[in-house]
Amino acid sequence: GQNIDQPTEMTATEGAIVQINCTYQTSGFNGLFWYQQHAGEAPTFLSYNVLDGLEEKGRFSSFLSRSKGYSYLLLKELQMKDSASYLCAVKDYGQNFVFGPGTRLSVLP
Amino acid sequence: EAQVTQNPRYLITVTGKKLTVTCSQNMNHEYMSWYRQDPGLGLRQIYYSMNVEVTDKGDVPEGYKVSRKEKRNFPLILESPSPNQTSLYFCASSGGHVTEAFFGQGTRLTVV
Repeated sequence: GQNIDQPTEMTATEGAIVQINCTYQTSGFNGLFWYQQHAGEAPTFLSYNVLDGLEEKGRFSSFLSRSKGYSYLLLKELQMKDSASYLCAVKDYGQNFVFGPGTRLSVLP
Repeated sequence: EAQVTQNPRYLITVTGKKLTVTCSQNMNHEYMSWYRQDPGLGLRQIYYSMNVEVTDKGDVPEGYKVSRKEKRNFPLILESPSPNQTSLYFCASSGGHVTEAFFGQGTRLTVV
């Protein structure tokens, strides 16, 4: 079966660092993707990992451990506009995208 | 501009009246997919397609139909809509081995 888990909600302070975890069990693996979604809007792509390790992209970094079925998204220097839902998705062997439930992040002043 | 286009953006309809939500992409992507999103439930996959004339059920296919007669289009059909299909719908497409999914703007459907 396919299963992706993320925390439901997180809260952090402006300027801080937050780590959003994602664990997965899927039918094969062809990459792990992170998306940001503001309420009522379409998800927008943030980053992806295919190999183990850390990928850095400005204030956002994503880490992957395939042996542990684990990833995290790290957001640095948090801004109010980072308040959104963050979706973890795995592309399985069939090239289908399986999405996690999303983590709603609230950034407080 | 590379994009996924959904129409309409907003729709209010009555129970039982057949409707179609269109989705079109201009990136020559093989993969296309439909999701619905309800408060607190994340994105749930309805149907997906790996290529022309190839479609598969997702997690919540009941009450929906799709077709993939051309590579660029993947319409979502509700033959007899019911109020529990009131939701926010997203279409997405992707191409190549490791490329991200691109999303349409969303269609907010209300069935009364």
